[in-house]
Amino acid sequence: GDSVTQTEGLVTLTEGLPVMLNCTYQTIYSNPFLFWYVQHLNESPRLLLKSFTDNKRTEHQGFHATLHKSSSSFHLQKSSAQLSDSALYYCALSPANSGTYQRFGTGTKLQVVP
Amino acid sequence: DTTVKQNPRYKLARVGKPVNLICSQTMNHDTMYWYQKKPNQAPKLLLFYYDKILNREADTFEKFQSSRPNNSFCSLYIGSAGLEYSAMYLCASSRTNSGNTLYFGEGSRLIVV
Repeated sequence: GDSVTQTEGLVTLTEGLPVMLNCTYQTIYSNPFLFWYVQHLNESPRLLLKSFTDNKRTEHQGFHATLHKSSSSFHLQKSSAQLSDSALYYCALSPANSGTYQRFGTGTKLQVVP
Repeated sequence: DTTVKQNPRYKLARVGKPVNLICSQTMNHDTMYWYQKKPNQAPKLLLFYYDKILNREADTFEKFQSSRPNNSFCSLYIGSAGLEYSAMYLCASSRTNSGNTLYFGEGSRLIVV
C-alpha cells in the first residue's frame, strides 16, 4: 500500500539557518498529490503547501518543496528558520485530488532556537 | 469559515463501554475523514466518507463504525472500548476539485480506563 516516510523525528536549528525536512513516499499511483501540513502547539494541522506536478517548485509562507517523482521525494525547505517556525510538520500523500484518502508520515518536530 | 468542530473534546470511557464522537463542518465538503493519532505515530486513517459512500481501512474495519446522516455531520462509533483505543481522534474534511486539502478539527481526546 501507500506509505510516507519522514526520517527525522526532531530537528533542532538555530534561528537563521536553512531548514530541510525530508519526505519520501511509496505509491502505485503515477500521479500522486503530496502535501505538507504544519501543526503548531495546541492547534490543528493545517495545509502549508501541496503539489502534484513533477519537478515544479511550490512555495508558501517562505517554505518551498519540489515533487520529484524520479526519487519519490517531496522535501520541505526554507532558506532561513524563524522562531515561529517551531512546530510539527507532516508530509502526506493522496493518490488523487478528490474523494480519496491521505496517508501521513510520522511527522518531524522542528525546534528553532535563538 | 473553515471550521471543523468536534465533540466532545475530551472523553473518559470505561473498558467495554461504547464511545461516540461527533464531527461537523459547514463548508459543504463532500469528504469527511477520521484519523487516530497516538504519540510518536503517524495519524492513522480509520475511515472516510466520500459523499454517502463509506470507506474503511482493512485493519480497522471491525473496530470502528461511522455514520453520515447529512453532508455536515459524521460520527465515529466504538462499540466496546479497549485500552488500545486511547488516542486523539482527528476529524477532517475536504472538497472535490480543491486539491483535496484537509481541514482538521481540534480533535477529541479519548482515554479508556
